[in-house]
Amino acid sequence: AQTVTQSQPEMSVQEAETVTLSCTYDTSENNYYLFWYKQPPSRQMILVIRQEAYKQQNATENRFSVNFQKAAKSFSLKISDSQLGDTAMYFCAFMKPGNQFYFGTGTSLTVIP
Amino acid sequence: DAGVIQSPRHEVTEMGQEVTLRCKPISGHDYLFWYRQTMMRGLELLIYFNNNVPIDDSGMPEDRFSAKMPNASFSTLKIQPSEPRDSAVYFCASSLPRVAFLSATSYNEQFFGPGTRLTVL
Repeated sequence: AQTVTQSQPEMSVQEAETVTLSCTYDTSENNYYLFWYKQPPSRQMILVIRQEAYKQQNATENRFSVNFQKAAKSFSLKISDSQLGDTAMYFCAFMKPGNQFYFGTGTSLTVIP
Repeated sequence: DAGVIQSPRHEVTEMGQEVTLRCKPISGHDYLFWYRQTMMRGLELLIYFNNNVPIDDSGMPEDRFSAKMPNASFSTLKIQPSEPRDSAVYFCASSLPRVAFLSATSYNEQFFGPGTRLTVL
């Protein structure tokens, strides 16, 4: 069975600083996708960044980047130059062939002015 | 496109009542997913459909829960009878067909609806 673990229920960061959210997963699959979703107070789920398992290069989207370590089954999200609008719940997700998603329990991030 | 549409946005009901949540996926999306979000368990996949057919309902907590997708543009999640522990936010999501993993340019992101906040008293 696939599991996704986010071991940090809550985190905070000063505005303009950098923060890293951790995520580990367990799977026997070789091909899969990993995602980070953001859920602001509006409750809408927003895709932040995605990573294909067959790619060795870490994905980057503006201030958001990941550290993907396939052997360690680790997929952390780094947010640089944190902004107040980054305050949200962040969910790590794993997708295996067949379109089925598995989510972690989330990390609540607060950006402090 | 308006995105995934869910209704109602909020539902308050009493224990024992039937609750029906509705979802309209994005036009052209072949996959539809129902999730439940709680503080204790995070985001859980309840069931998903492909071309209106239920593929995996192993996440449905018990027989009180049922989901249908009578056509490509509509799905319901029904709880009968409802219980206080069913209180949660229920999300519907849709996506395009399965991605070809060897392709570097395509993937099937799930697009989430705004969710329905259910409170069972």
